Amino acid sequence: NAGVMQNPRHLVRRRGQEARLRCSPMKGHSHVYWYRQLPEEGLKFMVYLQKENIIDESGMPKERFSAEFPKEGPSILRIQQVVRGDSAAYFCASSPPAAGAYEQYFGPGTRLTVT
Amino acid sequence: DAKTTQPPSMDCAEGRAANLPCNHSTISGNEYVYWYRQIHSQGPQYIIHGLKNNETNEMASLIITEDRKSSTLILPHATLRDTAVYYCIVRAASWGAQKLVFGQGTRLTINP
Repeated sequence: NAGVMQNPRHLVRRRGQEARLRCSPMKGHSHVYWYRQLPEEGLKFMVYLQKENIIDESGMPKERFSAEFPKEGPSILRIQQVVRGDSAAYFCASSPPAAGAYEQYFGPGTRLTVT
Repeated sequence: DAKTTQPPSMDCAEGRAANLPCNHSTISGNEYVYWYRQIHSQGPQYIIHGLKNNETNEMASLIITEDRKSSTLILPHATLRDTAVYYCIVRAASWGAQKLVFGQGTRLTINP
């Protein structure tokens, strides 16, 4: 059973370009979470999605960031017009389709570098 | 979410038990205690969680005090590969309360 998959693992973008980060949850999981870890800082929650629904986006920056989890295909975290401050590791996690004390399983992360 | 307090760093000798404490004095009745770790810059790894009873799995044991205001994660025979940042997190098990709130964690160093 494959774990959470993220791609690309490393992404370099110039200032002003768009970044698209992909996350495929574990098989059977329909809840996806995105977290960001800035250099030398802790992990911060960004957004929680279920299939075709955003449940909690309280950690998303107000501008330039968006996330989706379509009925088919991976979850996408999109960053428009990237700036140097967006350089960070972005982790995706997934959990089973139910409320409860379910653990979240994390992917290996995408390391975004903005030049 | 309730806040947790952990020591910023700890050292442990290889082969010994590593005991990582966590205070969560404002924990609510429906909140679980979770432990995750992050090895170097990898994705966080789930270790164990519990509500009020002590729990054990192949990785670790979790001891929760009777008043639930603190807990201890025990790695019974620490190895060099257990060097990581360990996070203690409290979280309710209900719809809409699914996010994990990470603090600064404890940086555990296992020494040979």
